[in-house]
Amino acid sequence: KAGVTQTPRYLIKTRGQQVTLSCSPISGHRSVSWYQQTPGQGLQFLFEYFSETQRNKGNFPGRFSGRQFSNSRSEMNVSTLELGDSALYLCASGFSGDSYNEQFFGPGTRLTVL
Amino acid sequence: KNQVEQSPQSLIILEGKNCTLQCNYTVSPFSNLRWYKQDTGRGPVSLTIMTFSENTKSNGRYTATLDADTKQSSLHITASQLSDSASYICVVSAPRTGDMRFGAGTRLTVKP
Repeated sequence: KAGVTQTPRYLIKTRGQQVTLSCSPISGHRSVSWYQQTPGQGLQFLFEYFSETQRNKGNFPGRFSGRQFSNSRSEMNVSTLELGDSALYLCASGFSGDSYNEQFFGPGTRLTVL
Repeated sequence: KNQVEQSPQSLIILEGKNCTLQCNYTVSPFSNLRWYKQDTGRGPVSLTIMTFSENTKSNGRYTATLDADTKQSSLHITASQLSDSASYICVVSAPRTGDMRFGAGTRLTVKP
């Protein structure tokens, strides 16, 4: 069974631009969560989607948004990029949306903002 | 102040030795606590997950313990191997919201 895939793996953008990251969960998984990981802040929860609905949201500005499609694939969008948005963005999928949900992470998208 | 504190920040041990990583949290109430292993350049991989009512959970050479009264968890690695070199992250989830709080991780290096 294929794992969680994220595209692109690497991305370079400039300040003010916007970016869209994609995540394809493991087949059959309906929950997709997004995380930001930086050396200074560590892993931080962005949001979680389950059956196309955002269930939980972390403490990030509105520039960070996401959505989930009927096939459970998810996209994350960051608008008006700032230097501080440079990070590894991780996506994780799971079967259910409850808090005991076993999550499987993808390899991440490394975003660099210049 | 982070609600999940891990110690030590980094640790170097010799191959074959045991080690214990600590996680103290203030998230309350909480629904479950997880330990992840993250190799450099890769996404985290789940090692163990425990609910508030569980005291210990093992996964091969990895054993996690939880004391909900003192709000402490530990991850014990037995007979370390070079492949254990990674960051180990403690994550605590709140009930209902499922909000997850992450520790900063412990960077473990196993040397031959």
